[in-house]
Amino acid sequence: RKEVEQDPGPFNVPEGATVAFNCTYSNSASQSFFWYRQDCRKEPKLLMSVYSSGNEDGRFTAQLNRASQYISLLIRDSKLSDSATYLCVVDLTGGGNKLTFGTGTQLKVEL
Amino acid sequence: DADVTQTPRNRITKTGKRIMLECSQTKGHDRMYWYRQDPGLGLRLIYYSFDVKDINKGEISDGYSVSRQAQAKFSLSLESAIPNQTALYFCATSALGQGKAGELFFGEGSRLTVL
Repeated sequence: RKEVEQDPGPFNVPEGATVAFNCTYSNSASQSFFWYRQDCRKEPKLLMSVYSSGNEDGRFTAQLNRASQYISLLIRDSKLSDSATYLCVVDLTGGGNKLTFGTGTQLKVEL
Repeated sequence: DADVTQTPRNRITKTGKRIMLECSQTKGHDRMYWYRQDPGLGLRLIYYSFDVKDINKGEISDGYSVSRQAQAKFSLSLESAIPNQTALYFCATSALGQGKAGELFFGEGSRLTVL
């Protein structure tokens, strides 16, 4: 089992749709969780951290389910500009010095 | 100007050649990292450094070495390049002790092709 696992997609959705991605992680002791966004041939950039209580940033909502060891990202009212690869990142050691990246989920938002 | 700068951005070389990828940052961060990205494998950590005198191996350090010449500079070397080191390489930085260890700031990447 991979330490951090994501469905690679692609998820093809129409503009305005709601889409959700899940990411599972193997270490129940993991403390920190993040979603990064990576545009084609570009560097990854932090989209949002994931807190235990869940958090929202505009159209984006991130949630953590420790019991089932997964995090999720929900995107509402999808825009064409949301097309990208979304990387799940987990700090498996809790010390901030070993961030493990998932392989990413590709999202394509279409007219 | 980018806060994290990588050079070269693209490089084609031959098997057995020595290659150095350089990274410099103006963010004033203590922590610096080198990752490689391959299709279907995601980003994997090669080496990381928490300060000038600190070097740590990541999950795939074999065949690579690094040098932290200054707080702002972290270079990655391939002593004898081989084709399976063909990948996109990213340098990244993060702040120490500010509760944001998970926020990595990446350079634009160096695409290396080994023939």
